[in-house]
Amino acid sequence: QSVLTQPPSVSAAPGQKVTISCSGSSSNIGNNYVSWYQQLPGTAPKLLIYDKNKRPSGIPERFSGSKSGTSATLGITGLQTGDEAVYYCGTWDSSLSAVVFGGGTKLTVL
Amino acid sequence: QVQLQESGPGLVRPSQTLSLTCTVSGGSIGIGTFYWSWMRQSAGKGLEWIGRVFVSGNTNYNPSLKSRVIISVDLSQNQFSLNLNSVTAADTAVYYCAREAFFSNRAEVPPVFINWFDLWGQGTLVTVSS
Repeated sequence: QSVLTQPPSVSAAPGQKVTISCSGSSSNIGNNYVSWYQQLPGTAPKLLIYDKNKRPSGIPERFSGSKSGTSATLGITGLQTGDEAVYYCGTWDSSLSAVVFGGGTKLTVL
Repeated sequence: QVQLQESGPGLVRPSQTLSLTCTVSGGSIGIGTFYWSWMRQSAGKGLEWIGRVFVSGNTNYNPSLKSRVIISVDLSQNQFSLNLNSVTAADTAVYYCAREAFFSNRAEVPPVFINWFDLWGQGTLVTVSS
C-alpha cells in the first residue's frame, strides 16, 4: 500500500488532455513539494516535473504540475502515443523522514 | 554528463546479503548538494524508496527496511553502495540508484522540503532464490 494514492489507470485520445491525481496528507504533499516521473516500458523512471512546476531540459511544455492542499496533479496536453507510460508522483514525508511514492498510473493513449 | 551505473550479483540466496554498487561517472559524487539514493521495483509493481546517503555519510532509510539496510559512500571510488541483509524472495526486484536534489526551508514552520531525482541508473535485476 503506497503512502501516496494515484489512480491505477487513465486514458484519452491523441491530441486530448489528461490529468493524473496524487493524493497524500499534511505530512507529505500538504507541506512539501511533489515531483513527477515517467517510466516507459523496460526503462528507468525519468524526471518530468519538480519544485514549483519546473521541467528539466528536454521535457516539453505539454507537461505541467500543480498542487492544492494535500493533492497534486500532473497534466499532459496534446497527447501523443509516445506518452503511453506509467507515471509516478513522489515527495518527502516529514513524519516518516522518508521519500514516498504513489503506486503509479498507467496512461493509455487510445 | 553525469551517469550512474549499478553493478552486483544478479542472484542472491535467501537469508544472504544483497550487495550492489552504483558508480558515478562524469562528475564527482563529493559535490555536497546531492543525496545518493537507492530505489527498487518488483515485477509489475511501483517504486519503493530504500534509502539514501549524503557525502558526509549521513543516511536516511525507509522505515520498513531500516533494520536490514546499510547504504554507504566511497568518495575515493566515486561510488555508493547498498547492503540489504536477510533477503527473501520478496526482495526480488529491479534495483535503481539515483541522484537526489534535496532542499529544505527550515525558516518555515513546519519546515518545507523540496526533493527530486534527476538522474537514474538503468537498473539491475536481483533475484533472490536458492
